[in-house]
Amino acid sequence: GAVVSQHPSRVICKSGTSVKIECRSLDFQATTMFWYRQFPKQSLMLMATSNEGSKATYEQGVEKDKFLINHASLTLSTLTVTSAHPEDSSFYICSATRQGLNPETQYFGPGTRLLVL
Amino acid sequence: DAKTTQPTSMDCAEGRAANLPCNHSTISGNEYVYWYRQIHSQGPQYIIHGLKNNETNEMASLIITEDRKSSTLILPHATLRDTAVYYCIPSNAGGTSYGKLTFGQGTILTVHP
Repeated sequence: GAVVSQHPSRVICKSGTSVKIECRSLDFQATTMFWYRQFPKQSLMLMATSNEGSKATYEQGVEKDKFLINHASLTLSTLTVTSAHPEDSSFYICSATRQGLNPETQYFGPGTRLLVL
Repeated sequence: DAKTTQPTSMDCAEGRAANLPCNHSTISGNEYVYWYRQIHSQGPQYIIHGLKNNETNEMASLIITEDRKSSTLILPHATLRDTAVYYCIPSNAGGTSYGKLTFGQGTILTVHP
């Protein structure tokens, strides 16, 4: 168990458009979901933390109006990159913690590669 | 968050044990030690975690020193598919920080034939 999926796996879009990335926990209910970003040859950087039904908490330096997070259910969170620009091109990865487990281990999705032209 | 020190890279022969060290001397009493790995172009994969005692699962063993200032991840019989970046991450899982994971640079493990 503890499978997390992401869709799409890769996306290419034009500068100025918006892109939505879905993150789903397939076989468990997720207490909390996290969104990370990874640039080439760098480590993962946490962007935001979200809980179902409440507003996401963004890390310092991450624009909440640019990276919209919706956590509508215990199995689905979405990240929308609004007015994407080439510098937003990156590998976006989500993770989820399994409800009811202590400690709350994070399980990661396979990632979404975004290329903004 | 506790800071960690890991070797930048390590090599291991296929079939041999891979022992990956991690120093986390500033770890606090309620922080678990988590190990993840990231194979190229994939999301991180959970391996194992521990608090005080040594742990073993189907993937690996985790040895934590008595003072908790360091740990070693052991892959008992490394295969080529174990080539990845391995991250050691102390985390206050489930606490007020919502179990945030701070990824460092990790150790690049290369398993060769």
